[in-house]
Amino acid sequence: EDQVTQSPEALRLQEGESSSLNCSYTVSGLRGLFWYRQDPGKGPEFLFTLYSAGEEKEKERLKATLTKKESFLHITAPKPEDSATYLCALSGGYNKLIFGAGTRLAVHP
Amino acid sequence: NAGVTQTPKFRVLKTGQSMTLLCAQDMNHEYMYWYRQDPGMGLRLIHYSVGEGTTAKGEVPDGYNVSRLKKQNFLLGLESAAPSQTSVYFCASSYHPPDRGGNEQFFGPGTRLTVL
Repeated sequence: EDQVTQSPEALRLQEGESSSLNCSYTVSGLRGLFWYRQDPGKGPEFLFTLYSAGEEKEKERLKATLTKKESFLHITAPKPEDSATYLCALSGGYNKLIFGAGTRLAVHP
Repeated sequence: NAGVTQTPKFRVLKTGQSMTLLCAQDMNHEYMYWYRQDPGMGLRLIHYSVGEGTTAKGEVPDGYNVSRLKKQNFLLGLESAAPSQTSVYFCASSYHPPDRGGNEQFFGPGTRLTVL
């Protein structure tokens, strides 16, 4: 069964303190690994799609990486505006995305 | 360009009542999805559509029905609401399916539903 597990559930950082969020997955055939950002009271907002092990993508202070078993979202020198819930999702085909429960990130000044 | 819009934003129902949630997108997307989001469980797919006039079951379809009569609209119906359907409902759309390039899903702002 396709599965996504995110850790930690919650993370508190000081402004400028770099860290990483983890997304572990099991899938019979990976068709894409997605990262979304969700602010309180809003819908998820797309960040990245990764397709194969070794692939990396960057956007501002965020960098997503992918191995055969997990993906990491690295946050470099975070700012308070990076506070949000970060969602990982995978596509194993059949027009469906399977989402993890998310990591709630709080960045304090 | 409004993107994906959902109505209503909030709703309180009594057990057994019915309602319809409306999703509209103005991006000419073929694929549309309805998810529910519950604390600690992430987003779960209820139903989806691969084009006008088509619908298909997702992970948790029981108690819900959908219709896609027009390409830009995707309706989610609850015929007899139950407290277990208390959740936040999100609609999303995409140009391609999740396993193809250009497959970013655009989400609406959500509908918070409480069933008493």
